[in-house]
Amino acid sequence: RKEVEQDPGPFNVPEGATVAFNCTYSNSASQSFFWYRQDCRKEPKLLMSVYSSGNEDGRFTAQLNRASQYISLLIRDSKLSDSATYLCVVTRNLYDKVIFGPGTSLSVIP
Amino acid sequence: DAGITQSPRHKVTETGTPVTLRCHQTENHRYMYWYRQDPGHGLRLIHYSYGVKDTDKGEVSDGYSVSRSKTEDFLLTLESATSSQTSVYFCAISGLGHSSHEQYFGPGTRLTVT
Repeated sequence: RKEVEQDPGPFNVPEGATVAFNCTYSNSASQSFFWYRQDCRKEPKLLMSVYSSGNEDGRFTAQLNRASQYISLLIRDSKLSDSATYLCVVTRNLYDKVIFGPGTSLSVIP
Repeated sequence: DAGITQSPRHKVTETGTPVTLRCHQTENHRYMYWYRQDPGHGLRLIHYSYGVKDTDKGEVSDGYSVSRSKTEDFLLTLESATSSQTSVYFCAISGLGHSSHEQYFGPGTRLTVT
């Protein structure tokens, strides 16, 4: 089993829709969690960190469920510019390497 | 955007030839990383560095070596390129403290080994 798993999609949603992605991780000692965004043929870019209490940044909300070992990303009022691949990232401690999930592809359709 | 550049941005080379990719940062960050990204595998760590002359292997380090003689430069070398090393290579940097795992990536190098 991979250490970090994501539904690859693609998720095809109309503009204005709400879409949610889940990411599961296998190591219960995981400490830090992030969502990155990657546009086609571009580098990944940090979207947001995921805190234990959950956090929101505009239309984006990230949640962490340690008991079930998953994190989620909710995008409200989808825009065409949200079309990208969303990467889940997990790490165990301050000095450990990060593990990238394979990514979930989102296409927002007019 | 973080000041990270990679060179070359595209390269085509023949099997068996040596190749060196360069990552340059202007952020004075301590940690630097080399990843490769392939369809179906996502980003996989090749090597990383936690300081000048301090490097360690990642999960797919076979066939690759690295060097870091200055804070700002991290070189990835393929001693004898193989077709399985055709990939997109990303360099990343991260800082210290709470944000140490927030990584910032360079634009990538597309390498084709024929």
